Amino acid sequence: SQQGEEDPQALSIQEGENATMNCSYKTSINNLQWYRQNSGRGLVHLILIRSNEREKHSGRLRVTLDTSKKSSSLLITASRAADTASYFCASGSYNTDKLIFGTGTRLQVFP
Amino acid sequence: DVKVTQSSRYLVKRTGEKVFLECVQDMDHENMFWYRQDPGLGLRLIYFSYDVKMKEKGDIPEGYSVSREKKERFSLILESASTNQTSMYLCASTLDRGSNEQFFGPGTRLTVL
Repeated sequence: SQQGEEDPQALSIQEGENATMNCSYKTSINNLQWYRQNSGRGLVHLILIRSNEREKHSGRLRVTLDTSKKSSSLLITASRAADTASYFCASGSYNTDKLIFGTGTRLQVFP
Repeated sequence: DVKVTQSSRYLVKRTGEKVFLECVQDMDHENMFWYRQDPGLGLRLIYFSYDVKMKEKGDIPEGYSVSREKKERFSLILESASTNQTSMYLCASTLDRGSNEQFFGPGTRLTVL
């Protein structure tokens, strides 16, 4: 299977804490993307990092990419109860329209 | 904002029925995708289309077919629904070719009895 993997599968934290999710992928990539999914809904794109970038920020989100280890991490700082959702990474390769999604991390933020 | 809509949020069908899932996007996107999502398995690509009347198989096309007669509409067809096709089905689109940001619809939760 080409599917990516994420860990942890589930994460529970208190409001105000930071949440870190990790993603590993298997092929050479053009970019790595992170998506969020609220329960029973569609996915929403959060951030895209290109293969020649090492770190990217967007608001309270920080994404890192290590192509030598084929891994990425998503850090959500100062988490809020509204951040409760599942988070998926997706790798995009050259010469393809497809993304390969990871299995997701379920984040629960307690008020 | 890009809007991707799916014809039903919830659908219940019987084994052997022919099922149509419709997806429409309103931003003139080139690519459209159909995924199914199952617990512990993440999203798996069923089919995608990069132009009208063009389609390519994804990772799990067996038991499914697709139709794209108009650029904005991409239909997923279950010719003879089976219980193992009970799942959440997600449609997505991208502006053009390449592994770009995908815009998702709200999903259709299909139950096959």
